[in-house]
Amino acid sequence: QVQLVQSGTEVKKPGASVKISCKASGYSFTSYVMHWVRQAPGQRLEWMGWINAGTSNTKYSEKFRGRVTFTTNTSASTAYMELTSLRSEDTAVFFCTTGDEAMTVSYWGQGSLLTVS
Amino acid sequence: SYELTQPSSVSVSPGQTARITCSGDVLAKKYARWFQQKPGQAPVLLIYRDNERPSGISERFFGSSSGTTVTLAITGARVEDEADYYCLSEADNIWVFGGGTKVTVL
Repeated sequence: QVQLVQSGTEVKKPGASVKISCKASGYSFTSYVMHWVRQAPGQRLEWMGWINAGTSNTKYSEKFRGRVTFTTNTSASTAYMELTSLRSEDTAVFFCTTGDEAMTVSYWGQGSLLTVS
Repeated sequence: SYELTQPSSVSVSPGQTARITCSGDVLAKKYARWFQQKPGQAPVLLIYRDNERPSGISERFFGSSSGTTVTLAITGARVEDEADYYCLSEADNIWVFGGGTKVTVL
């Protein structure tokens, strides 16, 4: 079955960078786009953007553009999200999520907690 | 930019029907999806294409659409349905989430 397994908890200082990984299994990694979603404590889901795992094309939310970079390692079926210039407001859980284009199915990682303090 | 508006909270008595609305101009042209999220968990897809249920999702979850508003109905509400519910739509390859609705069953 499809699984997305994310890297663990991170604690960073303001101004630092973080790179979170999302290892996929159970499907052809390059067939689907991988989205990233942020959720601050007690707050809404916030879309950050996506990367096409087959072409490496990306689309970033205006809110995060310039601070976030998505990459993939297709041989390891792993997607990465790097966020720079961290501030306290970036304290959140970050999810990777994928599915078919029509989203008849939707798979999510377990979430990676980032604390900036 | 696109916006989707949901009520912040909905309360329902056990066994009754809860209705959550999601409004936005983009919904007149694009499909909506609905997710359920329980504390400490990842979201779960409940509805896609406004009213389709993925395999394994209870028939108690029902989606509908009219103009610029989509609605998620939870029939026969149970305590286990207490969660946050989010609508999502997509346009120009950009996802937009609604603000989320906290459903309380009491």
